[in-house]
Amino acid sequence: EADIYQTPRYLVIGTGKKITLECSQTMGHDKMYWYQQDPGMELHLIHYSYGVNSTEKGDLSSESTVSRIRTEHFPLTLESARPSHTSQYLCASTVLGGGEQFFGPGTRLTVL
Amino acid sequence: AQSVTQPDIHITVSEGASLELRCNYSYGATPYLFWYVQSPGQGLQLLLKYFSGDTLVQGIKGFEAEFKRSQSSFNLRKPSVHWSDAAEYFCAVGAHENNNNDMRFGAGTRLTVKP
Repeated sequence: EADIYQTPRYLVIGTGKKITLECSQTMGHDKMYWYQQDPGMELHLIHYSYGVNSTEKGDLSSESTVSRIRTEHFPLTLESARPSHTSQYLCASTVLGGGEQFFGPGTRLTVL
Repeated sequence: AQSVTQPDIHITVSEGASLELRCNYSYGATPYLFWYVQSPGQGLQLLLKYFSGDTLVQGIKGFEAEFKRSQSSFNLRKPSVHWSDAAEYFCAVGAHENNNNDMRFGAGTRLTVKP
């Protein structure tokens, strides 16, 4: 069983608020990812990290930012949430060269 | 870059019937291939994976998939579906050169199981 956690699981906030979605894994994985998932659509990669102090943007343009100060922690921040940010956000991790990704349970974000 | 197509958006089968979910991929070399399952409100759980070797791979929950290079396919099968199999299924293709773990996911196939 993979040990990757996301909080909060559900979040409803107003436009303009700053939010941070938390993701932690206890597997010592180097590489971590954030995906955005909308119904009926493929997962879109928005950020990833190779390890501590490494952050990269993914394929999907996003107004969010990420940080990687510790191996196990990869938070995603929205400085000013908008209704267009309403989506499910999935965090994943893997070892370098390991192939499969392990996913957290997701955060469903609604911005009013 | 790799890509994945899942032609069926939604499939309905009767409990006890067999199941096949289709997946076609595009990738220039031998890919890593995966099937994940997602229940409502949950993250993705790995069902099975293909890296190399035997082209018929067995996974959890009685699922299997067959890699067919000539057809660029990796279809998921189960001989007898259970009501608990109702979920969203995602096929994914990964690159494996240069320690690249990047994956591309299909849009998913939603499985409904009739009693």
